[in-house]
Amino acid sequence: IQMTQSPSSVSVAVGDRVTITCRASQNIAGWLAWYQQKPGKAPKLLIYGASTLQSGVPSRFSGSGSGTDFTLTISSLQPEDFATYYCQQANSFPLTFGGGTKVQI
Amino acid sequence: EVQLVESGGGLVQPGGSLRLSCAASGFIFNNYAMNWVRQAPGKGLEWLSGISLSGHTTNYADSVRGRFTISRDNSNNTLYLQLTSLRAEDTAVYYCAKDGGYCSHGTCFSRDLFDLWGQGTVVTVSS
Repeated sequence: IQMTQSPSSVSVAVGDRVTITCRASQNIAGWLAWYQQKPGKAPKLLIYGASTLQSGVPSRFSGSGSGTDFTLTISSLQPEDFATYYCQQANSFPLTFGGGTKVQI
Repeated sequence: EVQLVESGGGLVQPGGSLRLSCAASGFIFNNYAMNWVRQAPGKGLEWLSGISLSGHTTNYADSVRGRFTISRDNSNNTLYLQLTSLRAEDTAVYYCAKDGGYCSHGTCFSRDLFDLWGQGTVVTVSS
């Protein structure tokens, strides 16, 4: 299953609303996760099941979608949110990631 | 503390072999599937392989099937990845990652996503 994210990068300011999209090449129902990765660090799980917030993740992060089209929204970007975001399908093996979206100033 | 610590990376010549280890602590290791994910320099994430709770079921990405072998030692809370026939394009940071599954009424279920990651170990394939 191919996962396509857009945009590949986005320039925003603190306080902005950010929306990242992820499209699957076939129906994956709600089997989608989102990760955040900062430079030199391991990824961190943000959302699973397309819309369930992982414990400890701020509520400004939200996810939606099902089937083939999904979105990650950051309602009001904070300085610590500048990072690269990846989607990942958990529907079937081989598990696959999107190409990533870099959120930068 | 709940953590994963990888080791075993290094510089290896093309065609060579390496074994990566991932020591788990702070959780019941044999209740969770485990995975390996890599990231080439400046590139995105690539899932490589996963192994079931018992170790009886394994899955691989096409890019490494037949060259890499995943295994686990539940008595020592350790995950392994044997890398053989290494190529320059295998140069990457290799992460082990715990499945974000759960247990209910004595049965554990996998979710095929990753809720705990190690810090990564670097593999460089070069002559």
